[in-house]
Amino acid sequence: QSALTQPASVSGSPGQSITISCTGTSSDIGTYDFVFWYQQHPGKAPKLIIFGVSNRPSGISDRFSASKSGNTASLTISGLQAEDEADYFCISYTTSTTYVFGTGTKVTVL
Amino acid sequence: QVQLVQSGAEVKTPGASVKISCKASGYTFTTYHMHWVRQAPGQGLEWMGIIKSTGDITIYAQNFQGRVTVTRDTSTSTVYMDLSSLTSDDTAVYYCARELPSSFFFDYWGQGTLVTVSS
Repeated sequence: QSALTQPASVSGSPGQSITISCTGTSSDIGTYDFVFWYQQHPGKAPKLIIFGVSNRPSGISDRFSASKSGNTASLTISGLQAEDEADYFCISYTTSTTYVFGTGTKVTVL
Repeated sequence: QVQLVQSGAEVKTPGASVKISCKASGYTFTTYHMHWVRQAPGQGLEWMGIIKSTGDITIYAQNFQGRVTVTRDTSTSTVYMDLSSLTSDDTAVYYCARELPSSFFFDYWGQGTLVTVSS
């Protein structure tokens, strides 16, 4: 199972919006809505920010939104803030009853 | 409060095995699945496997088939991940993470355990 494809890095200025793509296949993102997004700050464990394609856990800012179309999921961060600077990973359940992570995207706030 | 507390850092030589523990508290241990995920230095996350809440089903990523074993001890609410035939490529931080069955996502994570494989 190959990793889902994400851009290595995305940057934006404070207040701007950025979008991170996560491309998989018909064996994962294309089949299930079990796509999740995690935020990871250096030296910390990942933190869930999106579940079930586009839902936010309690306490997660509504500046984070997500969607899915075909084999690609997307995470949008609007009103970019300095605290959003982190690594972001997508993950999908697969038809093999396993999970596959994305390659990860480093978000830089300029 | 929910806590997943992992065992401490390990240093192993190539060819050895490592067994990492993940002690759960603050919830009913047998009602959640537990996953293992690893992250090599400066790299992305890699899913390794799961032990289901019933304790009788384990599923492993193909990359680790034959080398990884996940077990649990309900008397101590602890999950173990055993990885054998270590190489330098196994140097990574290993995390446990729990999943409410049928949610498909990992809501709480352990603090991570660094395993260093070096001769």
